[in-house]
Amino acid sequence: DAGVIQSPRHEVTEMGQEVTLRCKPISGHDYLFWYRQTMMRGLELLIYFNNNVPIDDSGMPEDRFSAKMPNASFSTLKIQPSEPRDSAVYFCASSYSSGQPQHFGDGTRLSIL
Amino acid sequence: AQSVAQPEDQVNVAEGNPLTVKCTYSVSGNPYLFWYVQYPNRGLQFLLKYITGDNLVKGSYGFEAEFNKSQTSFHLKKPSALVSDSALYFCAVRKDSNYQLIWGAGTKLIIKP
Repeated sequence: DAGVIQSPRHEVTEMGQEVTLRCKPISGHDYLFWYRQTMMRGLELLIYFNNNVPIDDSGMPEDRFSAKMPNASFSTLKIQPSEPRDSAVYFCASSYSSGQPQHFGDGTRLSIL
Repeated sequence: AQSVAQPEDQVNVAEGNPLTVKCTYSVSGNPYLFWYVQYPNRGLQFLLKYITGDNLVKGSYGFEAEFNKSQTSFHLKKPSALVSDSALYFCAVRKDSNYQLIWGAGTKLIIKP
């Protein structure tokens, strides 16, 4: 079984540039979560989807952040324009129903210079 | 307010000794409790969960956790630690009102040979 697939694994870009992170959830999972992990703030939930519909985006830090899930097998997290403080590891996770474990991808390590 | 606390930033254990990683929670209603492990440069991996039933839950890699309702705790345990158990461990509880997980700050477990 393929797990959650994230791309790219690493991204280094200059501030002001647009960044797009991609996620392919596990087939059949109907929940998808985007997290950000930093040393200072730990693991933060940014947004989550149920059946491709955004349910709670209260964790999205600013309007510069946006997320979409056009279909059950693909989601994107976009930052435009990017800033150095956005540097973090971004994780995507998916799960089948609310009480089931979330399965995480290996993350995208984002560095904004 | 619903929350999860992992009171120890780091736990050091000698190989072969028993280990305990502590977690306490505060949540309305019946909690769904989870433990995850994170190895360097990887996503979080599910270890075990408690939803209902037996208070002692067994999970992956020989880990177990004990749900204690009166103490609102869900400590992770292993009878004999391995050097390969060294990693970052996260406790999480599902929010009662929706399907988000509330995450602890993580505990770094170091097993010394």
